[in-house]
Amino acid sequence: AQTVTQSQPEMSVQEAETVTLSCTYDTSESDYYLFWYKQPPSRQMILVIRQEAYKQQNATENRFSVNFQKAAKSFSLKISDSQLGDAAMYFCAYLRGTYKYIFGTGTRLKVLA
Amino acid sequence: EPEVTQTPSHQVTQMGQEVILRCVPISNHLYFYWYRQILGQKVEFLVSFYNNEISEKSEIFDDQFSVERPDGSNFTLKIRSTKLEDSAMYFCASKGQINEQFFGPGTRLTVL
Repeated sequence: AQTVTQSQPEMSVQEAETVTLSCTYDTSESDYYLFWYKQPPSRQMILVIRQEAYKQQNATENRFSVNFQKAAKSFSLKISDSQLGDAAMYFCAYLRGTYKYIFGTGTRLKVLA
Repeated sequence: EPEVTQTPSHQVTQMGQEVILRCVPISNHLYFYWYRQILGQKVEFLVSFYNNEISEKSEIFDDQFSVERPDGSNFTLKIRSTKLEDSAMYFCASKGQINEQFFGPGTRLTVL
């Protein structure tokens, strides 16, 4: 069965600095998708970035980028130039086709002014 | 931009009562999902629905739960006799052609 592990329950970063959130996963599949979701106090699930497993190139979205290591089954999120609005829970998620998302346990990110 | 909507945003109910959580998926989507998130925990899958039937359900989704697509637009989750441990945020999601599910804003269910 597929699993997603986020080993950092909480991280802190100074405003304007860079932080990396870790995620590892386990699957025997070769075709799948990986996501990072942000969950602010409102608890809405906001998509940050997605990565298709068949693409070798790491996805980027403005200040957010991933380091996708397929062989190592690692999918970390890098946030550059951190802003106060980045403070939230971040969930890593795995998806294959029309099946369910499998989420990690989340990392709470604090941004220090 | 099309979005998934959910009503109500917050539902308070007494233990043992029935609740229906409503979702309006994105109009041309064919796959529908319910997820649950107990406060402070991760998001957990409940059920997926396609072609008017359940395609997959988790062990959480027992006989107290049911889903329905009563018309062409709504997708509902019913809990027949709520328990204290059903208190959680319930997210509806829908999926179209691309491999990504779009989440609604959630319904916060509080069981007293």
